[in-house]
Amino acid sequence: DSGVTQTPKHLITATGQRVTLRCSPRSGDLSVYWYQQSLDQGLQFLIQYYNGEERAKGNILERFSAQQFPDLHSELNLSSLELGDSALYFCASSVAPQGGYEQYFGPGTRLTVT
Amino acid sequence: QQQVKQSPQSLIVQKGGISIINCAYENTAFDYFPWYQQFPGKGPALLIAIRPDVSEKKEGRFTISFNKSAKQFSLHIMDSQPGDSATYFCAARGRGSTLGRLYFGRGTQLTVWP
Repeated sequence: DSGVTQTPKHLITATGQRVTLRCSPRSGDLSVYWYQQSLDQGLQFLIQYYNGEERAKGNILERFSAQQFPDLHSELNLSSLELGDSALYFCASSVAPQGGYEQYFGPGTRLTVT
Repeated sequence: QQQVKQSPQSLIVQKGGISIINCAYENTAFDYFPWYQQFPGKGPALLIAIRPDVSEKKEGRFTISFNKSAKQFSLHIMDSQPGDSATYFCAARGRGSTLGRLYFGRGTQLTVWP
């Protein structure tokens, strides 16, 4: 167990809908990262937050947004969902803004868009 | 553009054998190279990592070999066990504007036959 928690574990929704994925980092970790894992794209970095502020952005679609709250948990919001958004979404956390050399991943949320 | 290339895509090894997975990168600004192990339905788990100023790192049955001039690194699993059957990902961490994000290889599915 990495200490990173993610909810929900599974999510099934229809095209056009909006969902929110939640992540709680390991105790003491200030930085949160979101990754998407799909068969065709592999593991892709989406976005990083450090202590409430956005630090880096990857190939994140404009329909997707994220935030990190004062208690350091983070939410990833996915809107106007398309079939191609079906994937595993992982949250990872680390101590320092540059990752502290170690990122620990949560168990993921499996999103299925029908 | 795949920043980290990983091979082979799949690997079958007999119990007790050596599993070798290779990765190559182009960007010389990478400063940290972790390997992750992922079991079905789970998040990637940090296995072992190395910095580019070290040529080899060993932890138990797992060894990373790093060749900075060739921009290649590899994971060796000695005395492979059926419990090692999983997908392995190499990754590289960027500096500068990509600080903290990990670039992942496409993964190697390892099967260890008893």
